[in-house]
This record gives sequence, C-alpha cells and structure tokens, in this order.
Amino acid sequence: GIQVEQSPPDLILQEGANSTLRCNFSDSVNNLQWFHQNPWGQLINLFYIPSGTKQNGRLSATTVATERYSLLYISSSQTTDSGVYFCAGGGGFKTIFGAGTRLFVKA
Amino acid sequence: GAVVSQHPSWVICKSGTSVKIECRSLDFQATTMFWYRQFPKQSLMLMATSNEGSKATYEQGVEKDKFLINHASLTLSTLTVTSAHPEDSSFYICSARDPSGGVYEQYFGPGTRLTVT
Repeated sequence: GIQVEQSPPDLILQEGANSTLRCNFSDSVNNLQWFHQNPWGQLINLFYIPSGTKQNGRLSATTVATERYSLLYISSSQTTDSGVYFCAGGGGFKTIFGAGTRLFVKA
Repeated sequence: GAVVSQHPSWVICKSGTSVKIECRSLDFQATTMFWYRQFPKQSLMLMATSNEGSKATYEQGVEKDKFLINHASLTLSTLTVTSAHPEDSSFYICSARDPSGGVYEQYFGPGTRLTVT
C-alpha cells in the first residue's frame, strides 16, 4: 500500500517565524489533504490539494504530483498554530495518514 | 457546510459489554464513510471503509467480528465495538466524503473517546 512520510516529526518555532512541512508519498495519489488536529482531537481541514498551489491566509500548500510530494507553508506563526499537522492521501478509496508533524510555537 | 457529527463524544464501559458509536453527515450525502482509531501521540490508523448499502471493507489486522460497521443510509454509519476489552480503549474517529464531481475530500467527525474498564 501507499506509504506517507512527513517531516520534520517535531518543530519548535518562535512566534512570528515561518516554517515548511513536507509530505512524501511512495506512489501516486489522487487525493491529498492537510489537516490540523486541535488539542481536543478534532481534525480541521486545511487544504484539499491533489495538485497545484493554494493559499488561505497565513497558510499555503503546494503539491507536485509528478514528484509525489506536498509542502505546507506556515508564515508569521502564532501560538494558536501549535498542534499536530497531518497530511493524508490515497490512490483510490482509501486515505492513509502520515505520522504527523508536532508543532509548538513559543510566545 | 460539510459537517460530520459523532455520538457519543466519550464513553466508559465495562469489559465484556458492547458500545455503539454513530457517525452522521449533517449537510451532505456520504456515499463513503471511514473509521479510524488513534492511540495517544500516534497517527490515525484506518480500520475500515464502508459504502452505503454494502458490507464494509476492513483493513488487515482489524477483526470484523469485533468491530461491526453498518452504513445503513447516505448520512449514517455506526461502529459497534463488541465484547470490549481494555485494549480497545482508544480515540475513534469517523470521516465521510461525497466524491460526486470527482472531489475526494474527507470531512472528519470530532471523535469518540472510548475507555474500557
């Protein structure tokens, strides 16, 4: 099955800093999403991005489908950005999750 | 739009009893629903995929007789943990999608925290 690798596993930032999270897939995917899991466990949809680039406020994402990777950019980070960021994708009906990036933003 | 609810949000049960968790898509028809479980500080692991009116497809290693899934309508799927044991304690999350139009975006419920004593 498809393998999803995320990096880095952990990230500590000073408030105001920028960061890039990466997601690599072992095979082609026809759906790719980025999520933020809040402290209560709720998964918040950030981007549905099987290809191309999207932006939403301080967040943006780029997926290069031909090279099987996706990037999530966080600019001017805030303490409320802390939490776990997951990418997930699949080639058919399934969606497989990466291990996540645990982000902590210091005030 | 695209709201998925789960009930209950948490449940405590005694070992040997069964627990049913409901997952509903509130404002769209979900032809496919998924069930995941998540252990503390770990990622989400797919347990099974269900399509409305069909039997669920279980991932390798998931006991279908223990985790009964019923996707009876386009807005409701249920997961029943039968004869629960302490090792079944976990965070269970459902998701739903409507791939009409070729968009495979999934929407997640808030999760159910199960504790088996």
